[in-house]
Amino acid sequence: DTAVSQTPKYLVTQMGNDKSIKCEQNLGHDTMYWYKQDSKKFLKIMFSYNNKELIINETVPNRFSPKSPDKAHLNLHINSLELGDSAVYFCASRPGTGYYGYTFGSGTRLTVV
Amino acid sequence: GENVEQHPSTLSVQEGDSAVIKCTYSDSASNYFPWYKQELGKRPQLIIDIRSNVGEKKDQRIAVTLNKTAKHFSLHITETQPEDSAVYFCAASTGGGGADGLTFGKGTHLIIQP
Repeated sequence: DTAVSQTPKYLVTQMGNDKSIKCEQNLGHDTMYWYKQDSKKFLKIMFSYNNKELIINETVPNRFSPKSPDKAHLNLHINSLELGDSAVYFCASRPGTGYYGYTFGSGTRLTVV
Repeated sequence: GENVEQHPSTLSVQEGDSAVIKCTYSDSASNYFPWYKQELGKRPQLIIDIRSNVGEKKDQRIAVTLNKTAKHFSLHITETQPEDSAVYFCAASTGGGGADGLTFGKGTHLIIQP
């Protein structure tokens, strides 16, 4: 079983559309994240949830809205997609306490045309 | 907020030689420093991490050193092999990397020349 799974793996869509990316972890972790990796490979945090509660909301356009129905799931909905949203989006999770690294999902490559 | 600088952006070494990647951080409250390896088209994977109460940690051919006073930490890979070719990211966090999140460096593309 994949520890952190994301769907879809690839997403090609037109400007102005609305799309969602789903993430599920079966590790029992309390904290989940969304990271954006741009074309230069830079990884930047977007959101952090701890036990379904939003903890971090970096400077991200409000077209991006995360939703956590339970602590095993963290979805990302994007409205009115723009060309600059094209990137790889990674979901990640970690135990809520202690010094632990993240487990990343396999990523969703979003291409806006 | 935290800022992590990583150098070099590209590093080419001969197979069997050592590779060193260096990072500096800005927030003296940072206390957790993981390193990730990302192969082409794949997810970042944790390879080693170090806490602020430790100066050095080693795992087979990989070691990480931390200088809290200077606010820098380094990744050392010895006896490099072709499978070490990848992009390596350093990161820093307060709170043990928890809900605060990790701030990543911009990555180092390590190329192992046969």
